[in-house]
Amino acid sequence: EAQVTQNPRYLITVTGKKLTVTCSQNMNHEYMSWYRQDPGLGLRQIYYSMNVEVTDKGDVPEGYKVSRKEKRNFPLILESPSPNQTSLYFCASSPWATGTGNTIYFGEGSWLTVV
Amino acid sequence: AQSVTQLDSQVPVFEEAPVELRCNYSSSVSVYLFWYVQYPNQGLQLLLKYLSGSTLVESINGFEAEFNKSQTSFHLRKPSVHISDTAEYFCAVRYKAAGNKLTFGGGTRVLVKP
Repeated sequence: EAQVTQNPRYLITVTGKKLTVTCSQNMNHEYMSWYRQDPGLGLRQIYYSMNVEVTDKGDVPEGYKVSRKEKRNFPLILESPSPNQTSLYFCASSPWATGTGNTIYFGEGSWLTVV
Repeated sequence: AQSVTQLDSQVPVFEEAPVELRCNYSSSVSVYLFWYVQYPNQGLQLLLKYLSGSTLVESINGFEAEFNKSQTSFHLRKPSVHISDTAEYFCAVRYKAAGNKLTFGGGTRVLVKP
């Protein structure tokens, strides 16, 4: 079954304590990305990766890091979380093919609360 | 900048009544258009998409959306809603020149009342 798996699904953490949200896909997709969802703002892209070792900033990258050492994994790292990073996070993946409408698959989301 | 506007943040509607969710996007250049649905406490599911061809697209559960290039709109409609349609709906645009990035609207929360 085609899947994008995120962990943890729910996390409450404290300001400044480094955390990593993992994302893994089993579809051999080149393209992976992270979004955050906030009320009234929809989903906004944080970072994306077009392939292994190729990453770039999205619309709201401040306070986040990513890495892409393997094709299937794309972890999101919060080095020093702050309360304004409290949000619902989604990982997404798709084949990389500009100019086509190939389906983008989303994970189930990770609820992160920073206190 | 590319943007997607969903004009209604919340839409209360009675069961079996029709509903329309409005979506406008900022540019008329080549786009792909999507509607995603998020049921309570769940992730995003693709509801329907427009890639090319007929401007009217349908989903398997009775929703339809019409692409209007001149008005840069992609409104979602359902003639008769069920309680189970209670969810948040997101319009998203993929600009062909922007690769795989989706630009989302702010979402419309639909509450179906009995």
